Amino acid sequence: DQQVKQNSPSLSVQEGRISILNCDYTNSMFDYFLWYKKYPAEGPTFLISISSIKDKNEDGRFTVFLNKSAKHLSLHIVPSQPGDSAVYFCAARTVISGTYKYIFGTGTRLKVLA
Amino acid sequence: DVKVTQSSRYLVKRTGEKVFLECVQDMDHENMFWYRQDPGLGLRLIYFSYDVKMKEKGDIPEGYSVSREKKERFSLILESASTNQTSMYLCASSLTRRDKETQYFGPGTRLLVL
Repeated sequence: DQQVKQNSPSLSVQEGRISILNCDYTNSMFDYFLWYKKYPAEGPTFLISISSIKDKNEDGRFTVFLNKSAKHLSLHIVPSQPGDSAVYFCAARTVISGTYKYIFGTGTRLKVLA
Repeated sequence: DVKVTQSSRYLVKRTGEKVFLECVQDMDHENMFWYRQDPGLGLRLIYFSYDVKMKEKGDIPEGYSVSREKKERFSLILESASTNQTSMYLCASSLTRRDKETQYFGPGTRLLVL
């Protein structure tokens, strides 16, 4: 049972436009959400996060929105750049046996066209 | 800067061999994780550890074991490698901070089991 879902395996966007990556989750006990970016042959790198008590967090060109009632998370990249082309994973944090554990989505491959 | 290193970038092993994947972090993080990444499945948690000599099963622990004898080192062991363990293996570490936590990933080990 996939608790964190990224329903779009891929997305293509023109350079300079907005990229919107979506993530849905099922567990209302998740308390923290993160986005990671992954280039081929490299490990994921942290991009931006949001606590469940907030609905928006912004860092430069990246903004994450959280809609708790819809159990939906989105990452906006404005303006998109060719260097943003990568696979993006959303992740949600939960507590298991007193320890934080992360559940990852399946990823969305973003291609920014020059 | 946090650095997470993995002992090998690429490994080729034969079915039935014992395989050791080593991970070292240099930031005194208490938590360490092993994931595998497969196309269409995202990152799936194999095992994690929140302290020396402590370990917890993740979502797919079957066929794997782990060892954490020192805080900075977390080893993943495939007792008898099988072809369905061909995958990209990613190690991560993190500090436990309720309000701002993230995982730092190593570059990954691509394992091929023949």
